[in-house]
Amino acid sequence: DAGVIQSPRHEVTEMGQEVTLRCKPISGHDYLFWYRQTMMRGLELLIYFNNNVPIDDSGMPEDRFSAKMPNASFSTLKIQPSEPRDSAVYFCASSPIDGLNQPQHFGDGTRLSIL
Amino acid sequence: KQEVTQIPAALSVPEGENLVLNCSFTDSAIYNLQWFRQDPGKGLTSLLLIQSSQREQTSGRLNASLDKSSGRSTLYIAASQPGDSATYLCAPRWTYKYIFGTGTRLKVLA
Repeated sequence: DAGVIQSPRHEVTEMGQEVTLRCKPISGHDYLFWYRQTMMRGLELLIYFNNNVPIDDSGMPEDRFSAKMPNASFSTLKIQPSEPRDSAVYFCASSPIDGLNQPQHFGDGTRLSIL
Repeated sequence: KQEVTQIPAALSVPEGENLVLNCSFTDSAIYNLQWFRQDPGKGLTSLLLIQSSQREQTSGRLNASLDKSSGRSTLYIAASQPGDSATYLCAPRWTYKYIFGTGTRLKVLA
């Protein structure tokens, strides 16, 4: 069974550019989570979806960040315009329908560097 | 505010030692707590999930205990090995939101 798949694994771009991160959750999982990890702030939840609907986006830092889940097998996190302080590792995770009692499964992350 | 603290922040031990990693959290109304392992440059691997109604959970050389009322969880690693070297994160869950501690960086020396 394939795990959570994220792409790209690494992204280096100049500030001001649009960045799109992609995630494919585990098939059959109804919950999808986007996290950001930095040395200063650790691992923070940005947004999560249930059945493709955004439920809690209170962790999204600014309007420059947006996330979508057009179907059950795909989600994107977009940053426009990007800034150097957005440099971090971004993780996607998913969990099954009984989300409260099931573990979250994480992808390998996207390491983002904004120059 | 829900906060998670992990002690110690870093730990270096010789191979074979039994280890104790500590996690404390405010607000005892958690649904469960998950322990993760993170290797450098990698994602998080779930080690143990302990439900709020449970006192402990075991997997191989790992044992996690939970004292929900006092807001504490402990991860025991028995007979540590160099392959256990990683960062260990605890994450209590309130509703659908996990809040992560800053982790304990473990190095087991051969």
